Amino acid sequence: AQSVAQPEDQVNVAEGNPLTVKCTYSVSGNPYLFWYVQYPNRGLQFLLKYITGDNLVKGSYGFEAEFNKSQTSFHLKKPSALVSDSALYFCAVRPLLYSGGYQKVTFGTGTKLQVIP
Amino acid sequence: DGGITQSPKYLFRKEGQNVTLSCEQNLNHDAMYWYRQDPGQGLRLIYYSQIVNDFQKGDIAEGYSVSREKKESFPLTVTSAQKNPTAFYLCASSILQGRGNTIYFGEGSWLTVV
Repeated sequence: AQSVAQPEDQVNVAEGNPLTVKCTYSVSGNPYLFWYVQYPNRGLQFLLKYITGDNLVKGSYGFEAEFNKSQTSFHLKKPSALVSDSALYFCAVRPLLYSGGYQKVTFGTGTKLQVIP
Repeated sequence: DGGITQSPKYLFRKEGQNVTLSCEQNLNHDAMYWYRQDPGQGLRLIYYSQIVNDFQKGDIAEGYSVSREKKESFPLTVTSAQKNPTAFYLCASSILQGRGNTIYFGEGSWLTVV
C-alpha cells in the first residue's frame, strides 16, 4: 500500500530564513509526487509536481522541491520565507505506472508552516 | 475564469436530514472527486468519477451518495446514515489519469451538524 509521511505537524521559521517542509513516501514503482498549499478555510492550491527528469522541481511562489529516490523523500524548500507563506502544506503521491483505470492519490496529513516576523 | 465552484460555503444539517453539496467545473476535466478533510487526518476520498454516468466508491463512501449526469457537475449528498458528517468537504477535478495529471481543488464547503 502506498503512503505519505509528513513527520512534522508544525514548522516554525523566521521571516527571511530558508524553510524546509519534509515528506517521505512509499509507492510501488516510480512515483508522481505533488505539493499543495492550503490557507485557512480555502481549498488546496497546487504548488509543484515531480514526474521524471531533474530531481529539483521549481514551482509557484518561489517554492521548489527536491526528489531523492534513495531516501524516498520529496522535501519542499524555499530560500527565503515570507510571512504570507504561513499555511498548511500537503504532500501527495501516486504511482507513475499507468495501466488504465484509477490510480489512487494518497495525501499526507499536512504540515503547518508558521513564518515568524 | 476557469475553475471549480463549490456551494454553499457553509451548510448546517439537522439530525436525520440529507443535504447536498454542489460542485461545478468549467475546466473540461473528465475526472471529478470528493474528499473529506478532518483536522490531523489529511484528505480522505469519498467518491470519484471518471466519466459521465459512472462513479466509484472511495475509502469512506458509507453515508454518502453522488451523481454524474453532466460532465461539469458532481454533487455530493450527505445522507442521514453518515453519523459524523461535520467536516470540510473538497471537490476536485483532473484530466483522466495519465502522465502528469494534476488534481485541482475547489474552495471547499463546511458542513456542520446542529
